[in-house]
Amino acid sequence: AQSVAQPEDQVNVAEGNPLTVKCTYSVSGNPYLFWYVQYPNRGLQFLLKYITGDNLVKGSYGFEAEFNKSQTSFHLKKPSALVSDSALYFCAVRAQPYTGGFKTIFGAGTRLFVKA
Amino acid sequence: DVKVTQSSRYLVKRTGEKVFLECVQDMDHENMFWYRQDPGLGLRLIYFSYDVKMKEKGDIPEGYSVSREKKERFSLILESASTNQTSMYLCASSLRLALLSYNEQFFGPGTRLTVL
Repeated sequence: AQSVAQPEDQVNVAEGNPLTVKCTYSVSGNPYLFWYVQYPNRGLQFLLKYITGDNLVKGSYGFEAEFNKSQTSFHLKKPSALVSDSALYFCAVRAQPYTGGFKTIFGAGTRLFVKA
Repeated sequence: DVKVTQSSRYLVKRTGEKVFLECVQDMDHENMFWYRQDPGLGLRLIYFSYDVKMKEKGDIPEGYSVSREKKERFSLILESASTNQTSMYLCASSLRLALLSYNEQFFGPGTRLTVL
């Protein structure tokens, strides 16, 4: 079965410290991987995606993610966290075509708290 | 910038009422999606559409229907609202360049629906 797992419901980090939000996936074939962020009372915003090529992908707001095929992981990282990074983060994977369309599977989300 | 708008931010309805949630995007995207977001469950796909008058069931279509009469508008209909449909509803759109499209989705701000 195709799936995405975010093993941590919540991640706490001090401002200025590096942060990591974990994501593992299971899909058939080559994965297309995404990270989205949701600020309070807002819709989801796209952060970055991996399609092919370089395993380290850079995205918005200083975030980056590392694709690791052997570990089937796509962890989100930032070298120095800001209080304004506090939000809900979703990992997602694009699965194979689904009855003529295509489907994105989202993880359950990880809430990031950055303390000043 | 892509803009996805939803007709209401907050909605309160009574059990048994017919509920319409409207979504409009202004970037000529082919694909449109309806998700519901519940704590700990992430986003679950209700329905999606890859063209006008086309629709496909997602993972949880029961109790919902959709309508796409125009490319920019995708409506979600709760035929007879029930309390277990209390949730945050998110609309999204994306480009469809090819069958194996890896384009990111653009989300509306969401509608928080409460069914009493």
